[in-house]
Order: sequence, then structure tokens, then C-alpha cells
Amino acid sequence: AQSVAQPEDQVNVAEGNPLTVKCTYSVSGNPYLFWYVQYPNRGLQFLLKYITGDNLVKGSYGFEAEFNKSQTSFHLKKPSALVSDSALYFCAVRALYGNNRLAFGKGNQVVVIP
Amino acid sequence: EAGVTQSPTHLIKTRGQQVTLRCSPISGHTSVYWYQQALGLGLQFLLWYDEGEERNRGNFPPRFSGRQFPNYSSELNVNALELEDSALYLCASSLAGDRAPYEQYFGPGTRLTVT
Repeated sequence: AQSVAQPEDQVNVAEGNPLTVKCTYSVSGNPYLFWYVQYPNRGLQFLLKYITGDNLVKGSYGFEAEFNKSQTSFHLKKPSALVSDSALYFCAVRALYGNNRLAFGKGNQVVVIP
Repeated sequence: EAGVTQSPTHLIKTRGQQVTLRCSPISGHTSVYWYQQALGLGLQFLLWYDEGEERNRGNFPPRFSGRQFPNYSSELNVNALELEDSALYLCASSLAGDRAPYEQYFGPGTRLTVT
């Protein structure tokens, strides 16, 4: 069964500083990996995905993520954080074959301090 | 393009009652997914429907059920409500295919409170 670990409950970062949200995964075979963001009282918004190919994936709102197969990680990054990036971030994984269910991490609250 | 829509937005029920939640996918999407986001438990996969059939089910009791209609909209039914069913229920849709890495797009959710 697939699973995701997001080890930090909250990530605090000063506005303008680099932002990193960590994610490690476990899945049989090759993974499909996703990052979503959730603002208060809203559904999840898709940020980016890794399928295959280049290990650095670029997504919406200036976010990118780096896939590292040997470390089974898929960390989300943004070079310069904005106050508006404060939200709950979820990493998710699904197996290549079998079913479409996404296994989500518990989420990381990101707080960008002005 | 309209996103995934869900109704109602909020719902308050008492223990033992039954509830039906509704979801309309993005136009052209044939797969619909249901997730439960309960406080402290994160996002848990409930059900996946595609082309009107249930394709996969998460680790939830049978009192959680649903269906998908010919127009690809979907309903989630929960019978014999329990206090721990209080959660945000999220519906998502995607293009079809269990081999295709299509991302899922989420609706705003239905907040269910069981008292």
C-alpha cells in the first residue's frame, strides 16, 4: 500500500526567504507524486505532479518540486515565499497501476511571516 | 470552465440519521473520487467511480456508499451516522483511465457535523 510522510507539522519562514516543505513516500513500483495546497475553508488546489522524466518539476504560483528516487522524497520548494503562500500543503502518491486512489500525507501548515 | 461543485456546503445531522452529499465533476471528467478529511486524521480515500461503476473503495464500513450517474455526477450516502463521521467530505474528478497520471481536481467540500 502506498503512503506519504510529511514530517513537520508547521513550517515557518520569513517573507522573501526560500520555502521547503518535505515529503517522503512509499509505494510499490514507480510512483506518481502530487502536491496540493488548501486554503482555509476551501478544497484542495493542484500545484504540480511528477510522472517521469526530469526530476525537477515546475508548477503553479512559482512552486517546484524535486523528485529523488534514492531517498524516496518529493520536496516542495519556492525560492521566495510570499505571505499569501500561508496555507496547508499536502503531498500525495499513487501507484503506477492498480487504482487511482491518492494517499495523502497529514499536511504541513506553512506560515509566512511578513 | 466550471470546477468541481458540491452540495450542500454545510450539513448538521444527528446520530443515526442518513445523509446524501452530491458532486458534479468538471465537464469531460468521467472519474469521481470521494475523500474524508477529519480533524486529526488527514485525508482518507473513500470511493472511486468511473463510467458509472465503483472501481475502488477505501477502508470504510459499508454504511458509506455511493453511486455515479450517467452524466458522471455522483452521490455519497452515509447511513446510521456516528459522531466520528463529522468531517469535511471532498469530491474530486479527473479524466479517466487507471493507467493515466491525471491529476484530480477537488471541489470545495461539504462540512458534515454530526451531533
